[in-house]
Amino acid sequence: GAGVSQSPSNKVTEKGKDVELRCDPISGHTALYWYRQSLGQGLEFLIYFQGNSAPDKSGLPSDRFSAERTGGSVSTLTIQRTQQEDSAVYLCASSLDRNSNQPQHFGDGTRLSIL
Amino acid sequence: AQSVAQPEDQVNVAEGNPLTVKCTYSVSGNPYLFWYVQYPNRGLQFLLKYITGDNLVKGSYGFEAEFNKSQTSFHLKKPSALVSDSALYFCAVRDAWGKLQFGAGTQVVVTP
Repeated sequence: GAGVSQSPSNKVTEKGKDVELRCDPISGHTALYWYRQSLGQGLEFLIYFQGNSAPDKSGLPSDRFSAERTGGSVSTLTIQRTQQEDSAVYLCASSLDRNSNQPQHFGDGTRLSIL
Repeated sequence: AQSVAQPEDQVNVAEGNPLTVKCTYSVSGNPYLFWYVQYPNRGLQFLLKYITGDNLVKGSYGFEAEFNKSQTSFHLKKPSALVSDSALYFCAVRDAWGKLQFGAGTQVVVTP
């Protein structure tokens, strides 16, 4: 389809392992956002990409979290040495650009469970 | 800093009755406001937005929202609720980078 695609849809891993979450935005969308949704914290912003640059990383909760975007398209969110508090649904969204009045379109998320 | 508040954790309504989900905001400058809906195990789905212009905004699936600057509110409304409207609703405000600041969400339960 033409929507935002995230993989895997579910990930279960042991505490201390590294995980990679992938986001394929809508073709032509230059702005890409990562959010985290958890029971205790609601929906939180993590990082924003414009093209391959990340001008706003203010929401990354610790240095165990990093993200990159290549070719102005696919983005990967990496969590190193996972902790139980990292368990959440990680949502990716894209929009035409940050100045656009068009809405952000969300993927269905990756549900991450840390054992 | 900007923020939005959704004062109700849950709204219960009978099918066919009007539905209102409340949202208030706090921003410096002009607010860019959005409503999204989330069904179980799905991402957020855009309903409507207020950028500028008419205070009454019409969106998807029969939803509308009224922007009230004096009350700093942006309440979501639907004249006649359906059972299929049962979902989690989020109000959000957009900042200059385009990132969204969400409210805590309101669970809507529509009973037959």
